[in-house]
Amino acid sequence: GENVEQHPSTLSVQEGDSAVIKCTYSDSASNYFPWYKQELGKGPQLIIDIRSNVGEKKDQRIAVTLNKTAKHFSLHITETQPEDSAVYFCAARAAGGSYIPTFGRGTSLIVHP
Amino acid sequence: DAMVIQNPRYQVTQFGKPVTLSCSQTLNHNVMYWYQQKSSQAPKLLFHYYDKDFNNEADTPDNFQSRRPNTSFCFLDIRSPGLGDAAMYLCATSRDSTGTRYEQYFGPGTRLTVT
Repeated sequence: GENVEQHPSTLSVQEGDSAVIKCTYSDSASNYFPWYKQELGKGPQLIIDIRSNVGEKKDQRIAVTLNKTAKHFSLHITETQPEDSAVYFCAARAAGGSYIPTFGRGTSLIVHP
Repeated sequence: DAMVIQNPRYQVTQFGKPVTLSCSQTLNHNVMYWYQQKSSQAPKLLFHYYDKDFNNEADTPDNFQSRRPNTSFCFLDIRSPGLGDAAMYLCATSRDSTGTRYEQYFGPGTRLTVT
């Protein structure tokens, strides 16, 4: 089955800096890669996703890049703000077979004012 | 707004006392999922329904059961909660499983405490 590794487990940045979270996946058949933001005491919220037919996707201050050859994808947050502090999960879903995404272990992002 | 609703948000139960958590959705999605999330861990899938078809994960304990009486509602029953079952329980939905319609939408979760 799919295996998703996520790094780092904790990321601490100053307000205004950029933050990058990286994930690797094992199944070359994976074709959908969502990112979730989970604030304390709340459920995960989908913030951005990318499909395997594109290499990059942007939405305001967040962007996701995908390298299919290397089987890794990354979340980039620019101009970080304290409200970006949360746990971020990446996930990967393989085409065909089970449609259930496999989650990474999460990254706790702390943005210091 | 269309959404995934979970009740209650916080549930305290006693060791061994059955408990039911509920989830409802106004998205009219075909698929509903139940996840268990322990502190500082990724959500762990327990089971899911595709319409009325129930799909259990191989490592989900028999202590956990689920019911989906209609499209909108899904319940998680824990027959005899143990201390190790204390966790956040997340309900999620997705429209379908094919094409581009499998984005998952999560509810706010129910925090279960076992005393």
